[in-house]
Amino acid sequence: GQQVMQIPQYQHVQEGEDFTTYCNSSTTLSNIQWYKQRPGGHPVFLIQLVKSGEVKKQKRLTFQFGEAKKNSSLHITATQTTDVGTYFCAGPGQGAQKLVFGQGTRLTINP
Amino acid sequence: ETGVTQTPRHLVMGMTNKKSLKCEQHLGHNAMYWYKQSAKKPLELMFVYSLEERVENNSVPSRFSPECPNSSHLFLHLHTLQPEDSALYLCASSHGTAATNEKLFFGSGTQLSVL
Repeated sequence: GQQVMQIPQYQHVQEGEDFTTYCNSSTTLSNIQWYKQRPGGHPVFLIQLVKSGEVKKQKRLTFQFGEAKKNSSLHITATQTTDVGTYFCAGPGQGAQKLVFGQGTRLTINP
Repeated sequence: ETGVTQTPRHLVMGMTNKKSLKCEQHLGHNAMYWYKQSAKKPLELMFVYSLEERVENNSVPSRFSPECPNSSHLFLHLHTLQPEDSALYLCASSHGTAATNEKLFFGSGTQLSVL
């Protein structure tokens, strides 16, 4: 079935370093969403990308959707301790209501 | 607050118990979802209700039984669970009925431990 693969599974950085997580799908996606889950919290919607090659920015976060609409990335510039958490990508699966989540990338930061 | 409230926040139950998880959304949304989040697995969709009708049942064991009495409330009834059912159970809602292009609003979850 539809799978969304996310790498890396874990990433530990020093505060101030950059961070990137990648999301890959075996099939073309109509759109991709990104969520953040703080430790002990619940997933919170960050953004949705729809267009091929789309790039969106939210302050230090940059989101990209690949030209073939099969991959996406989230890049954080100059990480801060508030960026700690697990970042999930999610794309349409089989069925109208099914959103398939990647395994997530857990980001930890050394202050 | 996301506008989606889940109770209880934590639940410990034995394998022979019957319990229910409750979810309420105050956003006027039309679709509600149950997700399971285990330590080493991605978020797994369990059930979807759209306009109070179940539209997705993702091969979930019958020991999990959902109920959606109206568009604002969603329940997950639990009976004779197994220890491997221990997980964080998340409720979510979306404005429209097609989750694949709608952003999901998640509740805080119920952390379930089955002994």
